[in-house]
Formats: sequence, C-alpha cells, structure tokens
Amino acid sequence: NAGVTQTPKFRILKIGQSMTLQCTQDMNHNYMYWYRQDPGMGLKLIYYSVGAGITDKGEVPNGYNVSRSTTEDFPLRLELAAPSQTSVYFCASSYYDRVGHQPQHFGDGTRLSIL
Amino acid sequence: AQSVAQPEDQVNVAEGNPLTVKCTYSVSGNPYLFWYVQYPNRGLQFLLKYITGDNLVKGSYGFEAEFNKSQTSFHLKKPSALVSDSALYFCAVRPYTGFQKLVFGTGTRLLVSP
Repeated sequence: NAGVTQTPKFRILKIGQSMTLQCTQDMNHNYMYWYRQDPGMGLKLIYYSVGAGITDKGEVPNGYNVSRSTTEDFPLRLELAAPSQTSVYFCASSYYDRVGHQPQHFGDGTRLSIL
Repeated sequence: AQSVAQPEDQVNVAEGNPLTVKCTYSVSGNPYLFWYVQYPNRGLQFLLKYITGDNLVKGSYGFEAEFNKSQTSFHLKKPSALVSDSALYFCAVRPYTGFQKLVFGTGTRLLVSP
C-alpha cells in the first residue's frame, strides 16, 4: 500500500516555464488537497477536491490550476512559474463519511525552485 | 474563521525528560483537533486527534495530548523524550461539523538532546 505518491521529488524551473506536479493515492479517499509549505509559515491550502470532477479554491490559489478526472489522481499545474512559487508542495488525501473527516495522509512533497 | 497558535518556534528538552509542545486554537463550535509530525524531507504524519470524549488523547509513538476547552488549548505531551522525537510538530484545527478546511499552526521544532 503506497499511500500518497508525489512526483517529481525535486525540480528547478525557469521563470515563465510551466509544469505539472503529479499526485496519486491508492486508498480510495474521496478528498484530496494541495498545500504549499514555506519556512515559518506552516501549510497553506492551494486547492482541494471533494471527489472526481469537483475542485475548489483554498487560501492561495493564484497561479495554480488543478483537475480531478479520477478518484486516484489530483495533478497541480503551474502555468507561468514565478519566483514566489518557490516552495515545498504537499499533496494529501482523506476520507469523509457520515462519521466525519478522517485524518489526512500526506505525500513526501515536491521541492520546487524557480530561478 | 478558525486559527491555531503555536507560541514556541522551538522546544529544547533533554532525553528522558518530559516534553510539552503548546497549541491554542480558535474555532466556531466544537473543535476537531489534530497533531502531526514532520521529519526532514518527509510529509506530515498523523499523531493523534481529538473529537469528543476523554480530554486526554493517546496517539502514536507514546505521545498524548490534553484538550482543555476553557483555555482553548490542545498541548502535546510525552512523559519521556527520545532523541528520535526530534522533528517539526504541527497542530491543526477545524470545526467538528460539516466540511471546513483544516487550518495548521506554523509548527514547533522539537530538539531532544542526548
């Protein structure tokens, strides 16, 4: 059972380039999330999804896009990379039922530098 | 809107001594509280959660947390620290009912010295 898998682990981009951060989970979780982690700032929610075909903005969505075509996959797209997007990006998933939210499971992150 | 405060950027403790990592929260209604741990170059790992019931919650690796409604606190504790407990710890909160985004604190780095 792999849990939440993120690729790539590291990436350096030039300003203006685009890329997609991949995230897949094998736990059949209905909710998925993208966070960014900046030093001393904790985690900020970028986008989340409550199920296939449904996505919504978090706290810091500008400059990013997401899609959720399957339960398993939740890619994050950077269209025009800017230095302010240098960060560590974490994907997470969780299960929500009538009992409530179960804890989120996190991937190991993608470390992205934009120069 | 909910919020979390972790007032200490870093906590230093000697191995074998008890440790406490502080967390206070603000949320509308009853809280759903979590502690996560992050080791270097890894994602966050779930330690424990509080929903309702007993104010003392036990979690992974010998950690526990005490919920105090009057002080709106959820401090993480361990009776005897290990060097391997050194990591970054995050408290998180959201309202118990409905779907609301989970809000994380800024994290507390725990350093356990031999």
